[in-house]
Amino acid sequence: DTGVSQNPRHKITKRGQNVTFRCDPISEHNRLYWYRQTLGQGPEFLTYFQNEAQLEKSRLLSDRFSAERPKGSFSTLEIQRTEQGDSAMYLCASSSPGTAYEQYFGPGTRLTVT
Amino acid sequence: QKEVEQDPGPLSVPEGAIVSLNCTYSNSAFQYFMWYRQYSRKGPELLMYTYSSGNKEDGRFTAQVDKSSKYISLFIRDSQPSDSATYLCAMIDRDDKIIFGKGTRLHILP
Repeated sequence: DTGVSQNPRHKITKRGQNVTFRCDPISEHNRLYWYRQTLGQGPEFLTYFQNEAQLEKSRLLSDRFSAERPKGSFSTLEIQRTEQGDSAMYLCASSSPGTAYEQYFGPGTRLTVT
Repeated sequence: QKEVEQDPGPLSVPEGAIVSLNCTYSNSAFQYFMWYRQYSRKGPELLMYTYSSGNKEDGRFTAQVDKSSKYISLFIRDSQPSDSATYLCAMIDRDDKIIFGKGTRLHILP
């Protein structure tokens, strides 16, 4: 297993367009987390899944954001009607059950909204 | 007051020096404390985690937690230029969400 992977690594889009990111977790991990990181800040929690169930969503996750993990394996994060303020690094992490303190991160998807 | 406070630096030290990185926090319910290293334009990499108060050592890295003072530290011995990165402290809340500090940028000067 090569760790958590994310695609695409970079995305440039125009304001108002929709974008979708994909995360493939470590195969035996049933928990999957999404974070957003802006320059000079630590990652901020967005949402997490245990298997296919979305258990927690941050107030940061406006109704333009939606995340899915339909079969409990990979996950997608979609942003509709992107705004310039959505420009950030979107990070995915995964962990085994009961080990939220041991999350392993992917390389991130850098989104630039022009 | 933010839940986790971390000085953003930058912190510059000569190669071979001992580095001390610190965070304070306000939520007494935190039980797990982590340190992540993040290189530029990469995802964070877990260095160490500690449960409750005490010390934990892994090679050149030592993590300390003082719950009475709500203060955690990471020490790096014999620092190397390859240690130059941003170091993020993090804690787990009661809902299993990680709360990160802003990160401290560290530069090890050859």
